[in-house]
Amino acid sequence: KNQVEQSPQSLIILEGKNCTLQCNYTVSPFSNLRWYKQDTGRGPVSLTIMTFSENTKSNGRYTATLDADTKQSSLHITASQLSDSASYICVVRLLGGNNRLAFGKGNQVVVIP
Amino acid sequence: NAGVTQTPKFQVLKTGQSMTLQCAQDMNHNSMYWYRQDPGMGLRLIYYSASEGTTDKGEVPNGYNVSRLNKREFSLRLESAAPSQTSVYFCASSARDRWDSPLHFGNGTRLTVT
Repeated sequence: KNQVEQSPQSLIILEGKNCTLQCNYTVSPFSNLRWYKQDTGRGPVSLTIMTFSENTKSNGRYTATLDADTKQSSLHITASQLSDSASYICVVRLLGGNNRLAFGKGNQVVVIP
Repeated sequence: NAGVTQTPKFQVLKTGQSMTLQCAQDMNHNSMYWYRQDPGMGLRLIYYSASEGTTDKGEVPNGYNVSRLNKREFSLRLESAAPSQTSVYFCASSARDRWDSPLHFGNGTRLTVT
């Protein structure tokens, strides 16, 4: 069973609208959670990192939240643009050495004009 | 800085053929990784190298070998390609000593095995 579950699997939104992507994880011990954006045909690029003590962090029009008690994170995209069309991958890092990571399958977002 | 560079970008192999995927990074990172990405699945770790001279198996190492040639370069070899190895392969690097260091990915090699 995947230890990082993302929903919805895919969604289509109109340009200018907002959307929220969800990430639920069961992995422990938890070190941090990172959201990556993967454009079609490219490698993933880090958007934001959340640590245990952080609830909210913004990066431009992207806002990530973390509830470490319920083991849930969300990524909110405000005023979507066509360039936001991508897969958004939630990655949880486990505490300890060797950079152990658990990957979600991604949220596929398509923004249409 | 180019970041992480992978070659080739595309490759088609016949079953049983061999090939080496090349990866180089110019960020002076200690750690390097090879992942594969298949439709409907998350990225899966094939092998990683925590530092020059060391390599370790990841989640799906069968059918692959790696070489950490130096600090910059980490190659992935398929000795006898199988259709199940059709995938997109990503190389990544990170600063091992930083707990908050992200993975820096290359743009992938799209491999088809017929």
